Amino acid sequence: DAKTTQPNSMESNEEEPVHLPCNHSTISGTDYIHWYRQLPSQGPEYVIHGLTSNVNNRMASLAIAEDRKSSTLILHRATLRDAAVYYCILYWEGNNNDMRFGAGTRLTVKP
Amino acid sequence: DAGITQSPRHKVTETGTPVTLRCHQTENHRYMYWYRQDPGHGLRLIHYSYGVKDTDKGEVSDGYSVSRSKTEDFLLTLESATSSQTSVYFCAIRGFTGELFFGEGSRLTVL
Repeated sequence: DAKTTQPNSMESNEEEPVHLPCNHSTISGTDYIHWYRQLPSQGPEYVIHGLTSNVNNRMASLAIAEDRKSSTLILHRATLRDAAVYYCILYWEGNNNDMRFGAGTRLTVKP
Repeated sequence: DAGITQSPRHKVTETGTPVTLRCHQTENHRYMYWYRQDPGHGLRLIHYSYGVKDTDKGEVSDGYSVSRSKTEDFLLTLESATSSQTSVYFCAIRGFTGELFFGEGSRLTVL
């Protein structure tokens, strides 16, 4: 079972970039790297996912190491609304469709 | 907006009573999921569906049953609710590129 390791918590200042790390040393070739976030009292929200190449969308960027054993979610300018728990997940559709969420990283954004 | 609605959003019931939670989607996605979220355990998959009348168990399926008679509706039933099933329940659908979109959650309290 491929697992991920994330720091329990991180702090950032508003309007500064945030780099959220994730280690996944046992990743397999078919695993996609997914990131979700969960704001207080809300359901998880999809952020971004990728396989090998770096990915960008309107919410964030995903930087994937060349050996795929780690990745970094980049929020380019943190806002107070970005305060949430961020989950890094490895997902392969053949894995009984079980996307397993760990404890994630709780991001605090200071004004 | 992924077009997912859960009902009811809040429910209080007594031990031993049956409870049904409904997940409705408007986007015709094939895969639908039920998760529960508890402090200290994160999100855990209960059951999922990969088409009408096609369902399978997840990590914590004991005490739960599901049904999917139409593409748009995925029902989660607790035949005889117990206090250990007090939780927040999230429905999710899988998008066309593998990402999950979650509903807003249903908070169930079993007294």
